[in-house]
Amino acid sequence: NAGVTQTPKFRVLKTGQSMTLLCAQDMNHEYMYWYRQDPGMGLRLIHYSVGEGTTAKGEVPDGYNVSRLKKQNFLLGLESAAPSQTSVYFCASSYVSDSPLHFGNGTRLTVT
Amino acid sequence: GDSVTQMEGPVTLSEEAFLTINCTYTATGYPSLFWYVQYPGEGLQLLLKATKADDKGSNKGFEATYRKETTSFHLEKGSVQVSDSAVYFCALGLGTGNQFYFGTGTSLTVIP
Repeated sequence: NAGVTQTPKFRVLKTGQSMTLLCAQDMNHEYMYWYRQDPGMGLRLIHYSVGEGTTAKGEVPDGYNVSRLKKQNFLLGLESAAPSQTSVYFCASSYVSDSPLHFGNGTRLTVT
Repeated sequence: GDSVTQMEGPVTLSEEAFLTINCTYTATGYPSLFWYVQYPGEGLQLLLKATKADDKGSNKGFEATYRKETTSFHLEKGSVQVSDSAVYFCALGLGTGNQFYFGTGTSLTVIP
C-alpha cells in the first residue's frame, strides 16, 4: 500500500527560485495537510484542505500557496524561495477531521 | 489557546529500562490525544490514541492514559528496546479540519 507519497525527497533551491512539492494519497481521504518541521519547533501547519477544490491557511502560510484540484493530490508551491523556508516538509491526510493523520516521508528542502 | 507541552529531550536509556515521556495539554474543547513516532528519515506514524477521558491507548508495549483531571497523556513502556530509538510526538486533535496541535518532540535513544 502506497499511503501518502511525497515528491521530491530532496531539493536544493537558490533564493528567489520557485518549486512545487507534490503529495498524493491513495486512501480516499478527504482531509490533507502540509506541515513544516524545524528543530525544536515540532510540526507547524502551513495549509490544509477539507476536500477537493478547497484550501485554507494554517499557522504559517506566508510564502506558500496550495492547490487541491483532485481529491488525491495536494500541491504546495513556493513562488520565491527564501532561506527561512529551509525545512523538512511533511504532507499528511486523514479520513475525517479527528481521525489520525497519515504522513508521507517528507521532503528536505534547502534554500541557499 | 490550545497547545501541547511535552518533555524535552534527548532521553538516553539502557535496554530494558522503564520509559516515561511526559505530555500535558491545554484545550478549550474535548480533544482526542495521540502519540506519534518518527524513525530516522521517515514521516510520523501513529503509535496510539485515546479519544476520551480515562481511555488507555496501547500499542507495541507502549501505553498512555487520558487524564482529564491532570490534563496529561504520558507515554510509558516497561522495557525499552534498541529498536524503540526514535522521536516521539504528543498531539491533540479538536475535531475540526485544521486543529491538530503537536508537541516539539522527544528524542529517545536506547543503548544496548
